[in-house]
Amino acid sequence: SAVISQKPSRDICQRGTSLTIQCQVDSQVTMMFWYRQQPGQSLTLIATANQGSEATYESGFVIDKFPISRPNLTFSTLTVSNMSPEDSSIYLCSVTTGTEYTGELFFGEGSRLTVL
Amino acid sequence: DQQVKQNSPSLSVQEGRISILNCDYTNSMFDYFLWYKKYPAEGPTFLISISSIKDKNEDGRFTVFLNKSAKHLSLHIVPSQPGDSAVYFCAASNPLYNDMRFGAGTRLTVKP
Repeated sequence: SAVISQKPSRDICQRGTSLTIQCQVDSQVTMMFWYRQQPGQSLTLIATANQGSEATYESGFVIDKFPISRPNLTFSTLTVSNMSPEDSSIYLCSVTTGTEYTGELFFGEGSRLTVL
Repeated sequence: DQQVKQNSPSLSVQEGRISILNCDYTNSMFDYFLWYKKYPAEGPTFLISISSIKDKNEDGRFTVFLNKSAKHLSLHIVPSQPGDSAVYFCAASNPLYNDMRFGAGTRLTVKP
């Protein structure tokens, strides 16, 4: 298993600003992911955070809007840039301790962002 | 596109009775299916999974059934307990393409 800590747990942001969310894992993990859960919607994968290289983004998500860093095997950040009210969501960091994206994911508690 | 669907946003059952949560998927390439449980202000936690080569997997009070021909899976909780009250997410994955999709979740309320 893995214990994941996210900061901040919640924030209220002004339109046009940017916010960086941090994800710290208590052990080295191979794969780290960032998800978004918009109100009433499913968990949607934003990107896979790759250690030492650029993140792999899913369709509909771009690096300019959601820059991601992963400097080592236990830490990653997600920035939500130039925020608008549509970015109000819960953002979740998740990891798998295996070598494949087969299934069991461990999630952080999430960061609830409200954009005014 | 929504490849994994949970058509019931909420479900209410009496303590001690069976809870049945349903999930449908559209992509026949999915070969691994999971259920996650989420309490308020917490991240989802893994509950139970099933490989596409099986049609049933049981873990204590929780059983997942898979009907591949119907592209349907269900989670049975017997007997239901008030502590089971949470949002349950169905997920389907295709390891070959590093792809996992989640449903929108079903909020289960178990009444004492």
